[in-house]
Amino acid sequence: DAGVTQSPTHLIKTRGQQVTLRCSPKSGHDTVSWYQQALGQGPQFIFQYYEEEERQRGNFPDRFSGHQFPNYSSELNVNALLLGDSALYLCASSLSGQVGELFFGEGSRLTVL
Amino acid sequence: SQKIEQNSEALNIQEGKTATLTCNYTNYSPAYLQWYRQDPGRGPVFLLLIRENEKEKRKERLKVTFDTTLKQSLFHITASQPADSATYLCALGRSSYKLIFGSGTRLLVRP
Repeated sequence: DAGVTQSPTHLIKTRGQQVTLRCSPKSGHDTVSWYQQALGQGPQFIFQYYEEEERQRGNFPDRFSGHQFPNYSSELNVNALLLGDSALYLCASSLSGQVGELFFGEGSRLTVL
Repeated sequence: SQKIEQNSEALNIQEGKTATLTCNYTNYSPAYLQWYRQDPGRGPVFLLLIRENEKEKRKERLKVTFDTTLKQSLFHITASQPADSATYLCALGRSSYKLIFGSGTRLLVRP
């Protein structure tokens, strides 16, 4: 049973560019959440997707957008990259309505130069 | 705004001892609290969840307490092993939506 898979694992971009990160949730899960983790910090909630809709959003600018597909996979898009966007981007999957553990992927390490 | 504090200094203990990690929070009333383990360059891995009406939860060598009056959770690892060395994250939630994470405490268990 595959867990949460994310791609790419590492990428380097320059300021002003755009990036798309991808996530496939754990089998049987229908909800995907995205978190940003800066070095030495805890993960910060970006947004959550369920039934292809953004259900809740954290304190992130509109440059951060997402999408969920009918197969529950998800994408995170970041436009007009800033140096401060350099971080580990984590995808977490869960089952809607259930309070419990989040299953995290290994993350996509984004470096903005 | 809500704030979660975990000891930013690494906790360095001898193998076999009990490790105790602290999570304090302010300006928030969580319905539940979770603990995760994170190894360098990896995603967090869920360990335990405790709800606001529970005082204590155990799982093998792990024990979590939750005091909503003190706004504090304690996380214990008994008979610690070098393999327990990692960063431990505390996270609070009120629904099935977002979790609010602390910045984590690094644990180092010396053989």
